[in-house]
Amino acid sequence: DAKTTQPTSMDCAEGRAANLPCNHSTISGNEYVYWYRQIHSQGPQYIIHGLKNNETNEMASLIITEDRKSSTLILPHATLRDTAVYYCIVRARGGYQKVTFGTGTKLQVIP
Amino acid sequence: SQTIHQWPATLVQPVGSPLSLECTVEGTSNPNLYWYRQAAGRGLQLLFYSVGIGQISSEVPQNLSASRPQDRQFILSSKKLLLSDSGFYLCAWSVGGTGSGEPQHFGDGTRLSIL
Repeated sequence: DAKTTQPTSMDCAEGRAANLPCNHSTISGNEYVYWYRQIHSQGPQYIIHGLKNNETNEMASLIITEDRKSSTLILPHATLRDTAVYYCIVRARGGYQKVTFGTGTKLQVIP
Repeated sequence: SQTIHQWPATLVQPVGSPLSLECTVEGTSNPNLYWYRQAAGRGLQLLFYSVGIGQISSEVPQNLSASRPQDRQFILSSKKLLLSDSGFYLCAWSVGGTGSGEPQHFGDGTRLSIL
């Protein structure tokens, strides 16, 4: 699976959009981009995934660049409950392939 | 909708004691099931995965074993726990079959402490 690079930490004011970047310059054509988050002492929570088109769901939007070498997760109106570590991973198709987290981005939402 | 349940949430066990952690999934059939361990300050380590009843694949040699006695039930066991077995154990599921990009969904985990 391709390696990802994320900033170690970010702050965001409550109510503002949180934009979390991820670099995956070695991504291959059959690899998806997935985002998870993990709030302290809880299991990772799936947020969104995409292959090459931008995606949106009730939690977030995922913007993937045209060359697929980077992506941005957008939380449109951050709340204090969005404070967590956010992980960007890339993974090929195959339902039973393992999920491997890097160091992630610790997002702190500030009141 | 699909849900995943893990229990217990926390467990403190003495060295050498047995272990049984249970995970069940509701709202889907024939899921792929996974056991991960997340050590403090470290990433996820895949321990076992299963694509069907009685079908278990092990990713790393260790003191643990897994079983899938029913379609939506996955059990992690040990006959004798070691200090190194301490950690945060996570069960996950994904849509069954291969070739899809479907994500894995995690339970709330069991925090295991070995004394």
